[in-house]
Amino acid sequence: GESVGLHLPTLSVQEGDNSIINCAYSNSASDYFIWYKQESGKGPQFIIDIRSNMDKRQGQRVTVLLNKTVKHLSLQIAATQPGDSAVYFCAENIGQAGTALIFGKGTTLSVSS
Amino acid sequence: DADVTQTPRNRITKTGKRIMLECSQTKGHDRMYWYRQDPGLGLRLIYYSFDVKDINKGEISDGYSVSRQAQAKFSLSLESAIPNQTALYFCATSEGTPRGQFFGPGTRLTVL
Repeated sequence: GESVGLHLPTLSVQEGDNSIINCAYSNSASDYFIWYKQESGKGPQFIIDIRSNMDKRQGQRVTVLLNKTVKHLSLQIAATQPGDSAVYFCAENIGQAGTALIFGKGTTLSVSS
Repeated sequence: DADVTQTPRNRITKTGKRIMLECSQTKGHDRMYWYRQDPGLGLRLIYYSFDVKDINKGEISDGYSVSRQAQAKFSLSLESAIPNQTALYFCATSEGTPRGQFFGPGTRLTVL
């Protein structure tokens, strides 16, 4: 089964609201996590990453939170804009260097004006 | 990103045909990957390569083969295409670790 998953397949928000996209993972050996954004007709685009020795990391308008106790990862988008509408994937890397990422199924974020 | 290019972008083929999808990168990365994306299933790893002489099977390698012709080129072949291989295929690259993989624009493959 999936090692990485998302709580909700879709999320609808109003422009200007803050969005929170959640992801649960099951492998405690995972040491690195990434959030990707995929717009329609395009490949996934790197947003932000976090190592397992961190709890929080901030980027431009985005914050990733990692709770290793409950194996939970979240992506927070501040002041959500219509251009944020996309599918968001979390991905994990298991072990040192790892082989490749394991992706969750994705959450579709829809932002209405 | 123009750094990772895939050809063709769209392809329609028939059951039983052999087809090759190509990926080229100008990022200078050693690691390259092929993923398949199906609706509601996210991205699943087909094959990956850490360098020119290294090829590894991923989660769903059956029915596929790959060739790493050079550091910059990694091609995916379907030896005998079948309809359930209809999907969106992505190539990706990364540096020494899988972190921050860079994806190509994808190839939409339809097998009739």
